Amino acid sequence: EAQVTQNPRYLITVTGKKLTVTCSQNMNHEYMSWYRQDPGLGLRQIYYSMNVEVTDKGDVPEGYKVSRKEKRNFPLILESPSPNQTSLYFCASSLRTQVSYEQYFGPGTRLTVT
Amino acid sequence: AQKITQTQPGMFVQEKEAVTLDCTYDTSDQSYGLFWYKQPSSGEMIFLIYQGSYDEQNATEGRYSLNFQKARKSANLVISASQLGDSAMYFCAMREGGGTSYGKLTFGQGTILTVHP
Repeated sequence: EAQVTQNPRYLITVTGKKLTVTCSQNMNHEYMSWYRQDPGLGLRQIYYSMNVEVTDKGDVPEGYKVSRKEKRNFPLILESPSPNQTSLYFCASSLRTQVSYEQYFGPGTRLTVT
Repeated sequence: AQKITQTQPGMFVQEKEAVTLDCTYDTSDQSYGLFWYKQPSSGEMIFLIYQGSYDEQNATEGRYSLNFQKARKSANLVISASQLGDSAMYFCAMREGGGTSYGKLTFGQGTILTVHP
């Protein structure tokens, strides 16, 4: 089954404790992206990757890191989480970057930083 | 300026009736794509419908249709014969074709639709 998986689905952590949210897709997609969803703001892009070893900042990259060592995986790293990073996070992938290509979303990771 | 604007924070509709969710967008690109996603209370993002900027016909997918008015830069979602399961948050999103967007989806703020029995 074609899908994007994220782990963990729910995470409660404390300020400053490094964490990684994993994202994996099995569709051989080139393009992967991380978004965060906050009430009243919709989804905003954090980082994206055009292909292996090619990553760049989105609209709200502060406090996050990513890596793309393999085509299927695109982990999101919070080196020192803060309460303002409490949010719902989505990983997404698409075959290409062209406008007609649908982005497939993972199930979301609900992160709470206390 | 907001690239995607959804002006209706919440909408109510009676079961079996049609409802229109508004979306306006702003872009200077000639090539762009417009998407609607549904987010039920469980949280996942479900793709509903796509409209390309060069498509002359309005997109339709089952009970969903997109009322695309290019000159007015609007891409309203029409849901016909509403069902209780349509109660959810709905997001309008745009993917621009220009070089600086790099495939990003830009989302509106969302509209919460509630279907009454």
